[in-house]
Amino acid sequence: EVQLVESGGNLVQPGGSLRLSCAASGFTVSTYWMNWVRQAPGKGLEWVANIKQDGSAIYYADSVRGRFTISRDNAKNSLYLQMNSLSAEDTAVYYCATDISSTGGLEYWGQGTLVTVSS
Amino acid sequence: QSALTQPASVSGSPGQSIAISCTGTSSDVGGYNYVSWYQQHPGKAPKLMIYDVSNRPSGVSDRFSGSKSGNTASLTISGLQAEDEADYYCNSYRDSSPPLYVFGTGTKVTVL
Repeated sequence: EVQLVESGGNLVQPGGSLRLSCAASGFTVSTYWMNWVRQAPGKGLEWVANIKQDGSAIYYADSVRGRFTISRDNAKNSLYLQMNSLSAEDTAVYYCATDISSTGGLEYWGQGTLVTVSS
Repeated sequence: QSALTQPASVSGSPGQSIAISCTGTSSDVGGYNYVSWYQQHPGKAPKLMIYDVSNRPSGVSDRFSGSKSGNTASLTISGLQAEDEADYYCNSYRDSSPPLYVFGTGTKVTVL
């Protein structure tokens, strides 16, 4: 069974840092581009970042570029998101997702992990 | 980055067909066949319904179909059913510097 499980979400103060993890099972992440997508409470989906199969290409949304770092460890079948300089606008459920088509078709999703930025 | 434009809500009766539009620019929707559609029920993760404008992943009902004309993509749901009531989002590759993906504003589908 294909499964993605995010972890690391928590309550953090403004200006703080957090590292999210996404563990995959039932398939090999090295085959696919991997993505992070977030959803603020009561709001729509926002694409955050993606990373190529071998890590040689990485792209970010304007809203997180320079503060967030996406990475992967294919040996551990895992994806990560290092988040620095967090602000209230970063409060959201963060999902990891697998791009099956390499053109944005995100078929496998995790259940999400909640990040709350508040003092 | 600006989101793609979708209607806030669309409704229909069971059995009817509805269409959801997703309007972008020549730098995203109009320039590439990299449009995908997602269904999201409350409290759940999104589900991929269509990718590359009109392709359905395995297991997705053929009542869902996608198309594109110019800078506007569309998701059509035929034979509307109660379980289709959900939020729907489009997504497109955007050829910017650097390139990125962008979601639509989202559409709430209500089955009357």
